[in-house]
Amino acid sequence: QVQPVDSGGGLVKPGGSLRLSCVVSGFTFSDHYMSWIRQAPGKGLELISYIGKISSPTYYADSVRGRFTISRDNAKNSLYLQMNSLRAEDTAVYYCARVIDSSIDHWGQGTLVTVSS
Amino acid sequence: DVVMTQSPLSLPVTLGQPASISCRSSQSLVHSNGNTYLSWFQQRPGQSPRRLIYKVSNRDSGVPDRFSGSGSDTDFTLNISRVEAEDVGVYYCMQGTHWPGLSFGGGTKVEI
Repeated sequence: QVQPVDSGGGLVKPGGSLRLSCVVSGFTFSDHYMSWIRQAPGKGLELISYIGKISSPTYYADSVRGRFTISRDNAKNSLYLQMNSLRAEDTAVYYCARVIDSSIDHWGQGTLVTVSS
Repeated sequence: DVVMTQSPLSLPVTLGQPASISCRSSQSLVHSNGNTYLSWFQQRPGQSPRRLIYKVSNRDSGVPDRFSGSGSDTDFTLNISRVEAEDVGVYYCMQGTHWPGLSFGGGTKVEI
Protein backbone atom coordinates (compact mmCIF):
# COMPACT_ATOMS: atom_id res chain seq x y z
CA GLN A 1 0.00 0.00 0.00
CA VAL A 2 1.30 3.43 -0.94
CA GLN A 3 1.77 5.42 2.25
CA PRO A 4 3.83 8.55 2.81
CA VAL A 5 4.51 9.22 6.51
CA ASP A 6 5.21 12.83 7.45
CA SER A 7 7.07 13.90 10.57
CA GLY A 8 9.09 16.73 12.09
CA GLY A 9 6.42 19.29 12.90
CA GLY A 10 6.22 21.16 16.17
CA LEU A 11 6.18 24.53 17.88
CA VAL A 12 8.86 27.00 16.81
CA LYS A 13 9.43 30.70 17.47
CA PRO A 14 9.26 33.28 14.67
CA GLY A 15 12.56 33.38 12.85
CA GLY A 16 13.31 29.79 13.81
CA SER A 17 13.93 26.69 11.70
CA LEU A 18 12.42 23.25 11.36
CA ARG A 19 13.06 20.25 9.11
CA LEU A 20 10.19 18.07 7.95
CA SER A 21 10.69 14.52 6.77
CA CYS A 22 8.57 12.11 4.79
CA VAL A 23 9.30 8.42 4.38
CA VAL A 24 7.42 6.53 1.71
CA SER A 25 6.73 2.89 0.96
CA GLY A 26 4.68 0.91 -1.50
CA PHE A 27 6.11 2.37 -4.71
CA THR A 28 9.43 3.10 -6.40
CA PHE A 29 10.23 6.45 -4.83
CA SER A 30 12.82 7.46 -7.42
CA ASP A 31 10.28 7.14 -10.25
CA HIS A 32 8.17 10.05 -9.05
CA TYR A 33 8.18 13.75 -8.42
CA MET A 34 7.26 14.53 -4.82
CA SER A 35 5.63 17.56 -3.26
CA TRP A 36 4.87 19.44 -0.07
CA ILE A 37 1.42 20.92 0.31
CA ARG A 38 0.24 22.90 3.30
CA GLN A 39 -3.07 23.85 4.84
CA ALA A 40 -3.34 26.75 7.28
CA PRO A 41 -5.94 26.32 10.04
CA GLY A 42 -9.42 26.47 8.53
CA LYS A 43 -8.02 27.30 5.10
CA GLY A 44 -7.54 25.60 1.74
CA LEU A 45 -4.67 23.72 0.14
CA GLU A 46 -1.46 25.34 -1.10
CA LEU A 47 1.24 23.55 -3.10
CA ILE A 48 4.43 25.09 -1.76
CA SER A 49 7.16 22.97 -3.33
CA TYR A 50 7.95 19.99 -5.50
CA ILE A 51 11.07 18.17 -6.60
CA GLY A 52 11.92 16.05 -9.61
CA LYS A 53 12.97 12.42 -9.63
CA ILE A 54 16.71 13.08 -9.30
CA SER A 55 16.37 16.25 -7.25
CA SER A 56 15.74 18.43 -10.28
CA PRO A 57 13.80 20.45 -11.12
CA THR A 58 12.57 22.12 -7.95
CA TYR A 59 9.71 24.56 -7.54
CA TYR A 60 8.77 26.92 -4.72
CA ALA A 61 5.67 29.02 -4.26
CA ASP A 62 6.34 32.74 -3.86
CA SER A 63 5.25 32.49 -0.22
CA VAL A 64 8.22 30.27 0.71
CA ARG A 65 10.87 30.90 -1.96
CA GLY A 66 14.23 31.80 -0.45
CA ARG A 67 13.28 30.45 2.99
CA PHE A 68 12.38 26.79 2.37
CA THR A 69 14.47 24.11 0.67
CA ILE A 70 13.13 20.80 -0.63
CA SER A 71 15.38 17.78 -0.99
CA ARG A 72 15.19 14.03 -1.34
CA ASP A 73 17.28 10.92 -0.69
CA ASN A 74 16.22 8.19 -3.09
CA ALA A 75 18.33 5.60 -1.28
CA LYS A 76 16.28 6.21 1.88
CA ASN A 77 12.90 6.71 0.15
CA SER A 78 12.76 10.04 1.90
CA LEU A 79 11.64 13.59 1.17
CA TYR A 80 12.63 16.62 3.24
CA LEU A 81 11.63 20.24 3.70
CA GLN A 82 14.07 22.56 5.45
CA MET A 83 12.15 25.59 6.70
CA ASN A 84 14.10 28.68 7.80
CA SER A 85 13.08 32.18 8.87
CA LEU A 86 9.66 30.89 9.89
CA ARG A 87 6.78 33.31 10.21
CA ALA A 88 3.41 33.14 11.95
CA GLU A 89 1.75 32.74 8.55
CA ASP A 90 3.67 29.50 8.00
CA THR A 91 1.54 27.87 10.70
CA ALA A 92 -0.18 24.97 8.95
CA VAL A 93 -0.46 21.24 8.52
CA TYR A 94 2.18 20.15 6.03
CA TYR A 95 1.50 17.17 3.78
CA CYS A 96 3.95 15.17 1.74
CA ALA A 97 2.34 13.85 -1.45
CA ARG A 98 3.24 12.00 -4.61
CA VAL A 99 2.99 13.78 -7.94
CA ILE A 100 1.84 11.55 -10.77
CA ASP A 101 0.72 12.36 -14.32
CA SER A 102 0.25 16.06 -13.49
CA SER A 103 -1.89 15.24 -10.48
CA ILE A 104 -1.36 14.35 -6.84
CA ASP A 105 -2.51 11.02 -5.57
CA HIS A 106 -1.19 9.67 -2.27
CA TRP A 107 -0.96 12.07 0.67
CA GLY A 108 0.73 11.67 4.02
CA GLN A 109 -1.18 12.09 7.26
CA GLY A 110 0.23 15.58 7.72
CA THR A 111 2.45 17.17 10.35
CA LEU A 112 1.49 20.34 12.20
CA VAL A 113 3.88 23.28 12.27
CA THR A 114 3.05 26.08 14.69
CA VAL A 115 5.04 29.31 14.59
CA SER A 116 4.43 31.34 17.72
CA SER A 117 6.36 33.15 20.40
CA ASP B 1 -0.63 31.68 -12.56
CA VAL B 2 -3.88 29.84 -13.23
CA VAL B 3 -6.64 30.74 -10.79
CA MET B 4 -9.16 28.05 -9.90
CA THR B 5 -12.55 29.27 -8.69
CA GLN B 6 -15.04 26.92 -7.04
CA SER B 7 -18.70 27.46 -6.33
CA PRO B 8 -20.57 27.37 -4.14
CA LEU B 9 -18.39 27.91 -1.05
CA SER B 10 -20.86 25.93 1.01
CA LEU B 11 -23.34 23.32 -0.20
CA PRO B 12 -26.12 22.11 2.08
CA VAL B 13 -27.26 18.70 0.85
CA THR B 14 -30.02 16.20 1.57
CA LEU B 15 -29.19 12.54 2.00
CA GLY B 16 -30.11 10.57 -1.09
CA GLN B 17 -30.30 13.68 -3.26
CA PRO B 18 -27.83 14.74 -5.97
CA ALA B 19 -25.21 17.44 -5.47
CA SER B 20 -23.00 19.37 -7.85
CA ILE B 21 -19.84 21.46 -7.41
CA SER B 22 -18.46 23.81 -10.04
CA CYS B 23 -14.81 24.61 -10.75
CA ARG B 24 -13.68 27.23 -13.25
CA SER B 25 -10.14 27.99 -14.38
CA SER B 26 -8.76 31.34 -15.53
CA GLN B 27 -7.14 29.64 -18.54
CA SER B 28 -7.95 26.63 -20.65
CA LEU B 29 -6.76 23.40 -19.04
CA VAL B 30 -6.28 21.59 -22.34
CA HIS B 31 -2.62 20.62 -22.52
CA SER B 32 -0.66 20.66 -25.77
CA ASN B 33 -0.68 16.84 -25.58
CA GLY B 34 -4.47 16.81 -25.73
CA ASN B 35 -5.05 15.84 -22.10
CA THR B 36 -6.91 17.98 -19.59
CA TYR B 37 -5.35 17.76 -16.13
CA LEU B 38 -8.17 18.55 -13.75
CA SER B 39 -8.45 16.57 -10.52
CA TRP B 40 -10.93 16.49 -7.64
CA PHE B 41 -10.14 15.80 -3.99
CA GLN B 42 -12.26 15.06 -0.96
CA GLN B 43 -11.15 16.02 2.55
CA ARG B 44 -13.27 14.57 5.31
CA PRO B 45 -13.13 16.28 8.73
CA GLY B 46 -9.81 15.60 10.44
CA GLN B 47 -8.39 13.62 7.52
CA SER B 48 -5.86 14.12 4.75
CA PRO B 49 -7.20 14.90 1.29
CA ARG B 50 -8.00 11.94 -0.94
CA ARG B 51 -8.11 12.08 -4.72
CA LEU B 52 -11.44 11.11 -6.28
CA ILE B 53 -11.10 12.03 -9.93
CA TYR B 54 -8.19 12.72 -12.31
CA LYS B 55 -8.07 13.99 -15.89
CA VAL B 56 -11.59 15.39 -15.58
CA SER B 57 -13.58 12.17 -15.38
CA ASN B 58 -11.41 9.20 -14.33
CA ARG B 59 -12.38 7.80 -10.94
CA ASP B 60 -9.65 6.55 -8.63
CA SER B 61 -9.69 2.98 -7.41
CA GLY B 62 -12.15 2.49 -4.55
CA VAL B 63 -14.10 5.67 -5.24
CA PRO B 64 -17.86 4.97 -5.30
CA ASP B 65 -19.48 5.32 -8.69
CA ARG B 66 -21.90 7.93 -7.32
CA PHE B 67 -19.01 10.37 -7.85
CA SER B 68 -18.46 11.58 -11.41
CA GLY B 69 -16.52 14.36 -13.04
CA SER B 70 -17.24 16.21 -16.25
CA GLY B 71 -16.37 19.36 -18.14
CA SER B 72 -13.89 20.79 -20.58
CA ASP B 73 -11.66 23.76 -21.34
CA THR B 74 -12.27 26.06 -18.34
CA ASP B 75 -15.50 24.73 -16.86
CA PHE B 76 -15.70 21.56 -14.74
CA THR B 77 -18.17 19.84 -12.44
CA LEU B 78 -18.08 17.21 -9.73
CA ASN B 79 -21.38 15.41 -9.33
CA ILE B 80 -22.57 13.20 -6.51
CA SER B 81 -25.58 11.24 -7.72
CA ARG B 82 -27.00 10.40 -4.27
CA VAL B 83 -25.35 11.99 -1.27
CA GLU B 84 -24.47 9.73 1.65
CA ALA B 85 -23.52 10.79 5.18
CA GLU B 86 -19.85 9.86 4.59
CA ASP B 87 -19.63 12.43 1.78
CA VAL B 88 -19.56 15.33 4.25
CA GLY B 89 -16.35 17.30 3.95
CA VAL B 90 -14.55 19.81 1.76
CA TYR B 91 -13.99 19.22 -1.94
CA TYR B 92 -11.16 20.78 -3.95
CA CYS B 93 -10.38 20.92 -7.63
CA MET B 94 -6.79 21.20 -8.85
CA GLN B 95 -5.22 21.95 -12.23
CA GLY B 96 -2.08 20.17 -13.38
CA THR B 97 -1.88 21.50 -16.93
CA HIS B 98 0.06 24.68 -16.33
CA TRP B 99 3.39 24.16 -14.61
CA PRO B 100 5.30 25.11 -12.57
CA GLY B 101 2.56 26.15 -10.18
CA LEU B 102 -0.12 23.48 -9.82
CA SER B 103 -3.08 25.26 -8.27
CA PHE B 104 -6.07 24.34 -6.14
CA GLY B 105 -9.52 25.82 -5.96
CA GLY B 106 -10.60 27.38 -2.69
CA GLY B 107 -12.79 24.46 -1.67
CA THR B 108 -16.50 23.69 -1.32
CA LYS B 109 -17.84 22.55 2.02
CA VAL B 110 -20.54 19.87 1.70
CA GLU B 111 -22.74 19.56 4.76
CA ILE B 112 -25.97 17.79 5.56
